[in-house]
Amino acid sequence: QVQLQESGPGLVKPSETLSLACTVSGVSISDYHWTWIRQSPGKGLEWIGYISYSGSTNYNPSLKNRVAISVDTSKNQFSLKLRSVTAADTAVYYCARARGFFDNWGQGTLVTVSS
Amino acid sequence: DIVLTQSPGTLSLSPGEGATLSCRASQSVSSSYLAWYQQKPGQAPRLLISGASSRATGIPDRFSGSGSGTDFTLTISRLEPEDFAVYYCQQYGTSPRTFGQGTKVEIK
Repeated sequence: QVQLQESGPGLVKPSETLSLACTVSGVSISDYHWTWIRQSPGKGLEWIGYISYSGSTNYNPSLKNRVAISVDTSKNQFSLKLRSVTAADTAVYYCARARGFFDNWGQGTLVTVSS
Repeated sequence: DIVLTQSPGTLSLSPGEGATLSCRASQSVSSSYLAWYQQKPGQAPRLLISGASSRATGIPDRFSGSGSGTDFTLTISRLEPEDFAVYYCQQYGTSPRTFGQGTKVEIK
């Protein structure tokens, strides 16, 4: 059974970098693509980007200049970094397995951007 | 970007009734790469349908999806109490992946 768990700070200051990790269990991270999605009241569900099993990435152009997704196969984990955050980046952040559609999700973690 | 517009915004129905949810795309969704998700308060979305009409593992057969091109439909044949939730469509034929704004199915 595939399980995903997000971890990271729940509070980030404006202009700093948001960093989250997603630990995958039940499957090898090297066998699938993995993605980050966020959900805020103002913008609904927003796809952030994904990383493939080969390490290639594809980002939403709306965030492309600020986002980086990486994978650590030794920890069966992948990560999100979002630079120069503002209050508009406050959201629940989800990690998920990506097969085009998203068939397994983490429970989500709320990240608030505030000083 | 492909914009997905869901209608109606809210459906007020009673248990046992049927529900029809619409998802319209601003341009054709290639190869019917459209998915539907159910989300309950405080939970992550759950995949219901992929490929416009294929139920995900463990999804009851009262859920069905149809459509192609720019018009897609999620039908719930008989609403059970646990089906009252928000439903989202998502296209994965084109990057960036995009979601609809959601349809809330509430108890009348």
